Amino acid sequence: NAGVTQTPKFQVLKTGQSMTLQCAQDMNHNSMYWYRQDPGMGLRLIYYSASEGTTDKGEVPNGYNVSRLNKREFSLRLESAAPSQTSVYFCASNMYRGKHGYTFGSGTRLTVV
Amino acid sequence: QQPVQSPQAVILREGEDAVINCSSSKALYSVHWYRQKHGEAPVFLMILLKGGEQKGHDKISASFNEKKQQSSLYLTASQLSYSGTYFCGTGSNFGNEKLTFGTGTRLTIIP
Repeated sequence: NAGVTQTPKFQVLKTGQSMTLQCAQDMNHNSMYWYRQDPGMGLRLIYYSASEGTTDKGEVPNGYNVSRLNKREFSLRLESAAPSQTSVYFCASNMYRGKHGYTFGSGTRLTVV
Repeated sequence: QQPVQSPQAVILREGEDAVINCSSSKALYSVHWYRQKHGEAPVFLMILLKGGEQKGHDKISASFNEKKQQSSLYLTASQLSYSGTYFCGTGSNFGNEKLTFGTGTRLTIIP
C-alpha cells in the first residue's frame, strides 16, 4: 500500500504563477484534507472534503481552490502564488465518522519568490 | 482557535519521563496525538474520544478530561526514538474529523 501520495515534493514558483498540488490515497478513505505547516504555527487547515463530491473551507482558504476529483484524489490549486504561500503542504486522509487517525502524505515544500 | 500545548520544548535524558499537555477553549469530541520527525510527515499515535477511556500502549499513553477540555500525553522511560515534535489535534464534532492542531511540543532525548 502506498498510503497517501503527494506530488510534487518540491516546487519553486514565481509570484503570480499558478500550480496544482496533487494528492491521491489508496486506502478507501472517505475524508481528505489539505494543511499547510509554517514554523511555529503548527498545521493549519486550508480545505477539506468529508466525502466524495463535497468540499469545505478550513481556517486559511484564501488564495486556494480545491477539487475532489473522485474518492481517491484531492487536488489543491494556487491560482496566483504569493510569497506568503511559501510553506510545506500536507495532504491527509481518514475514514469518516471520527474514530480514526489521519494518514499524512510526505508533503510538498513550496517556495514562492 | 488553536489548542495550546505546553511545554513548547523539553529536553530529557534517555529513560526519563515526559508529559505534554493540550488545552482547548472549545468543547471537544476528540483529541488526536501525532509525532513528527524533522523533514517527515506527522505520524498518528492515538485518538481519544469523548466518553472513552485513557488510552495507551507500551510506554506512551494519553488521557482526556472532557470537562476541562484538556488532554495529556505521557511518555515513560523515554527512548532516543521518541525525539520529535508532538502535536495534538482537536475535533469538536462527531462525524466531522476536521482537526485543529496545536503549535507543537519539541521533544529532544539525549543519551
